[in-house]
Amino acid sequence: SQKIEQNSEALNIQEGKTATLTCNYTNYSPAYLQWYRQDPGRGPVFLLLIRENEKEKRKERLKVTFDTTLKQSLFHITASQPADSATYLCAPPANAGNMLTFGGGTRLMVKP
Amino acid sequence: DGGITQSPKYLFRKEGQNVTLSCEQNLNHDAMYWYRQDPGQGLRLIYYSQIVNDFQKGDIAEGYSVSREKKESFPLTVTSAQKNPTAFYLCASSPSGIRADTQYFGPGTRLTVL
Repeated sequence: SQKIEQNSEALNIQEGKTATLTCNYTNYSPAYLQWYRQDPGRGPVFLLLIRENEKEKRKERLKVTFDTTLKQSLFHITASQPADSATYLCAPPANAGNMLTFGGGTRLMVKP
Repeated sequence: DGGITQSPKYLFRKEGQNVTLSCEQNLNHDAMYWYRQDPGQGLRLIYYSQIVNDFQKGDIAEGYSVSREKKESFPLTVTSAQKNPTAFYLCASSPSGIRADTQYFGPGTRLTVL
């Protein structure tokens, strides 16, 4: 069955550095993948969507890549700020049906 | 102000009681979803509805029930049959019920069973 994996360990980085989060998927090939941000005690918020024919997608300080050969998406935040501290979830569509499947998320902590 | 609302934000329940969580959206979205999130874990799909008067079980539907009588409303009932109901419950909606669209989430309801 399909599997979505994100690093469950928190990522701690210094303000101003680039944060890179990883999403690996196995046993299927999604046509696109979404990234969401979730703050503690709140619902996730959509950030970016990248399609399989797009190698890279950017939005302000955010960049997402999608490597269908490696079955991996990378999420980058450049010039990170303490306000970027949150949990980031990747969400490809399910292998069957009309819904998303969510990874477990990676918590990012940006220290001033 | 368009959006999706959930109430209450915090809910306490005694063991053996059923409880209903509210979810309303004014985005005119066709599809609505209920997820459960446990500490440090991802979202697990409980139920989803792609159209009014129709809904399907997700991965962990046992002990839960839903209804979709109106497009804007998708309440979730946590029944006494749910063995471990303490969790953070998230409702979401998406424009289309025929593809995996971007989802818009409510603020969540934290349910605690005493």
